[in-house]
Amino acid sequence: DADVTQTPRNRITKTGKRIMLECSQTKGHDRMYWYRQDPGLGLRLIYYSFDVKDINKGEISDGYSVSRQAQAKFSLSLESAIPNQTALYFCATSEGEGPEQYFGPGTRLTVT
Amino acid sequence: AQSVTQLDSHVSVSEGTPVLLRCNYSSSYSPSLFWYVQHPNKGLQLLLKYTSAATLVKGINGFEAEFKKSETSFHLTKPSAHMSDAAEYFCVLLTGFQKLVFGTGTRLLVSP
Repeated sequence: DADVTQTPRNRITKTGKRIMLECSQTKGHDRMYWYRQDPGLGLRLIYYSFDVKDINKGEISDGYSVSRQAQAKFSLSLESAIPNQTALYFCATSEGEGPEQYFGPGTRLTVT
Repeated sequence: AQSVTQLDSHVSVSEGTPVLLRCNYSSSYSPSLFWYVQHPNKGLQLLLKYTSAATLVKGINGFEAEFKKSETSFHLTKPSAHMSDAAEYFCVLLTGFQKLVFGTGTRLLVSP
């Protein structure tokens, strides 16, 4: 079984709709991250959480919110989706201050 | 500012020939650097990492990278390309705030 899972894997939604992307991990890591990937731009950090009570904005948090429901779960919400939020979204985890991050398989989101 | 620049958006090689993917970094601190690979429709996988130990770092699948402080470079190489190496490669810098900064990616194309 995968250590970092994301649901859904693909989603098409309409402008203005609320959508939630979910991430779960079985690695026991305390730190979790949400990134978006756009062609030619690499990955950019949206939000990150160093533990259940610690949530921090990344470089592109506008239009997004997150919830850390448990150590193993970190959800990303788009309150009112817009077309320029069409992207590939990745969740990642890391342990303590260790530099290595482990990525989920990604969620491809299309906003029409 | 801490940043990573991948000098080529695409690199094309023939199977069996050497691979060179170039990366330069800018960092105020002694950097930790990584190369990640993303195969089509897959998440990101860590290839190798440099964290201030040996300057020549060996990774998985025959890849290696050399940290050169004087040139602020961390180029990825492989002596002989295989068809399965075709993927997108990201050079990544760990910032002093324990966050990853991604390059824009280099797509490696391998022809028979």
